Amino acid sequence: GAVVSQHPSWVICKSGTSVKIECRSLDFQATTMFWYRQFPKQSLMLMATSNEGSKATYEQGVEKDKFLINHASLTLSTLTVTSAHPEDSSFYICSGLRNTGELFFGEGSRLTVL
Amino acid sequence: AQSVSQHNHHVILSEAASLELGCNYSYGGTVNLFWYVQYPGQHLQLLLKYFSGDPLVKGIKGFEAEFIKSKFSFNLRKPSVQWSDTAEYFCAVGFFGNEKLTFGTGTRLTIIP
Repeated sequence: GAVVSQHPSWVICKSGTSVKIECRSLDFQATTMFWYRQFPKQSLMLMATSNEGSKATYEQGVEKDKFLINHASLTLSTLTVTSAHPEDSSFYICSGLRNTGELFFGEGSRLTVL
Repeated sequence: AQSVSQHNHHVILSEAASLELGCNYSYGGTVNLFWYVQYPGQHLQLLLKYFSGDPLVKGIKGFEAEFIKSKFSFNLRKPSVQWSDTAEYFCAVGFFGNEKLTFGTGTRLTIIP
C-alpha cells in the first residue's frame, strides 16, 4: 500500500515552546490530509481536515490558533502545536487521502510537553 | 450526534479460536464502514471496508465483516485466529458517505499461543 510518513516520531519539549510535526505522503499525492489525536487507551479523535492550498477545517472544540495546520504541497502537511502545555501531550496521527478514496495513516508522533 | 461503539475493550483468545469483534454506530443515513488494525509499534492499516453492495466483505489476512443495516452493526470476524493477529482493532465510520472518519475506542486483541 501507499506510504505516509510522520516526523518526528517522538518529541519532548518545554512548556511554552512550539512544536512542528510533518506528515508526508511518500508515493502518492494527497490533496486532503487529516490530523487526529489519540489519548492513551482512547480512540482517535479527528482534529482537522487539511486541504492543499486552502485553510484547514477544524472540528468543534479544536483551537485553530493553537494547532496550526499548513498544507503547502500535495505531499506535505504540517501541524504546529503553539505554546505547548502539558495537556497537549498526546499521540498525533495524520492520514493522507489517495485519489482512490483510500486513507493511509502515518506512524504517529508522540508529543510530551514538560 | 453520530457515534461509533466498540463494546469489547480487551479480548483474549487462544490460537485457532474464532473471533468476532462488535462495532455499532448511530446514524440512519449513508455510511462508509472500515476496520483498521494497529500492530504493536506500527501504524494503522486497513483490514477491510464497505461502501455499498454485498454486505459481507472480505479483507486481508482472512478477516471478514458483515454490515447489518437494521442493527447498525459492522462486526469483524475471523474463523481461526493466529498469534500474529495480536493487535489493536479499530472500527471507523464515514458518516454522510465521506472520508472524515469517526473511530471507535478500539479493541485490544491478545492471542495466546
